[in-house]
Amino acid sequence: QVRLQESGPGLVKPSETLSLTCTVSGDSVTSGSYWGWVRQPPGKGLEWIATIHQTGKTYYNPSLKSRVTISMDTSNDQFSLSLTSVTAADTAVYFCASDIRSSWFFSWGQGTLVTVSS
Amino acid sequence: EIVLTQSPGTLSLSPGERATLSCRASETIHVNDLAWYRQKPGQAPGLLLYSTYRRAAGIPNRFSGTGSGTDFTLIISRLEPEDFAVYYCQHYGSSLTFGPGTRVDMK
Repeated sequence: QVRLQESGPGLVKPSETLSLTCTVSGDSVTSGSYWGWVRQPPGKGLEWIATIHQTGKTYYNPSLKSRVTISMDTSNDQFSLSLTSVTAADTAVYFCASDIRSSWFFSWGQGTLVTVSS
Repeated sequence: EIVLTQSPGTLSLSPGERATLSCRASETIHVNDLAWYRQKPGQAPGLLLYSTYRRAAGIPNRFSGTGSGTDFTLIISRLEPEDFAVYYCQHYGSSLTFGPGTRVDMK
């Protein structure tokens, strides 16, 4: 059973870059699954951010695409999210997630709260 | 981009009752491209159904899904205590989008 664990700073200053890493265990990022990020502002709904496949193919939410990069570190079984020029609107719980298909996510990390504030 | 609308916003029911949750798409979507999640308080979402009606691994048969075109429904036949949560529908197309959610509260 795949397990996912998010890590990264809990506080980021406005205009800076938010960087998060998801460590995969019980599976490999090269297994053929799809790996993604979803966020949830406090008290609000879910927003998909991006997905990556081992082939290097990436998929981005059009509304965030200009600020987002998703990448993969196969040697450490990790994948990462970078979100530039953050504002308070980027304050959210960030989840990493995965599935064998690109269509939905079966496995989820517990989520990590990132607050954007000076 | 397809927009998903969920209704009602909140559903107040008692344990053992039947819950019917609606998800409406702004245009016709394929049945293979619609999923449902349950998010319990303080937890990550959990996949319930995919391809409209297929139950994810470990999901009990009190959860069922129907629908086609623009209208989709999640039915919980008898509410258990762990089912009082927020439910999201999700579409996969050129992008991956979630509905705003339906909260199922205990009456």
